[in-house]
Amino acid sequence: GENVEQHPSTLSVQEGDSAVIKCTYSDSASNYFPWYKQELGKGPQLIIDIRSNVGEKKDQRIAVTLNKTAKHFSLHITETQPEDSAVYFCAASMDYGGSQGNLIFGKGTKLSVKP
Amino acid sequence: SAVISQKPSRDICQRGTSLTIQCQVDSQVTMMFWYRQQPGQSLTLIATANQGSEATYESGFVIDKFPISRPNLTFSTLTVSNMSPEDSSIYLCSVGGVLTGETQYFGPGTRLLVL
Repeated sequence: GENVEQHPSTLSVQEGDSAVIKCTYSDSASNYFPWYKQELGKGPQLIIDIRSNVGEKKDQRIAVTLNKTAKHFSLHITETQPEDSAVYFCAASMDYGGSQGNLIFGKGTKLSVKP
Repeated sequence: SAVISQKPSRDICQRGTSLTIQCQVDSQVTMMFWYRQQPGQSLTLIATANQGSEATYESGFVIDKFPISRPNLTFSTLTVSNMSPEDSSIYLCSVGGVLTGETQYFGPGTRLLVL
């Protein structure tokens, strides 16, 4: 089955710097890759996602890149702000002829942005 | 996006007892999912709840321990039975993510501590 590895487990940056979180997946059939942000005491919230027919997607300060050949995808946060501090999870799933397989999550990255 | 609420938001329970967690969605959905997030860990799918049929459990999770009800298209319950301290986790319900690339939304979670 699918296995998703996420690095680093913790990341500390200064406000205004960029943060990059990387994930690798094992099953080349996976084709949907969402990223979730989980703040303390809350459920995960989708922040950006990418499908395998796209190499990069941006939404303001957040971008995700996908390398299908190497089977890895990354989350990039630019101009980080203290409110970006949270745990970030990557996930992967497969397309079963129009139906989505279960999401397999990475172990999470705790991002701390220092003012 | 779907708005999901869960009750209770947190609870402290004695070992050997059972707790029923409720999940309410603001729109009708075909499938609802229950996840467990152990302290500092990632999300693990417990089961998929379909309206009008038995829930489908993932490997390592059984109906006797985690019975699920799905009486209609906006509501589901998960019971954690005969609890032990190892059941201390965050339990999350989610909806969506059925069709390829469809966003999966999560509730705020129920934080359970078993003494």
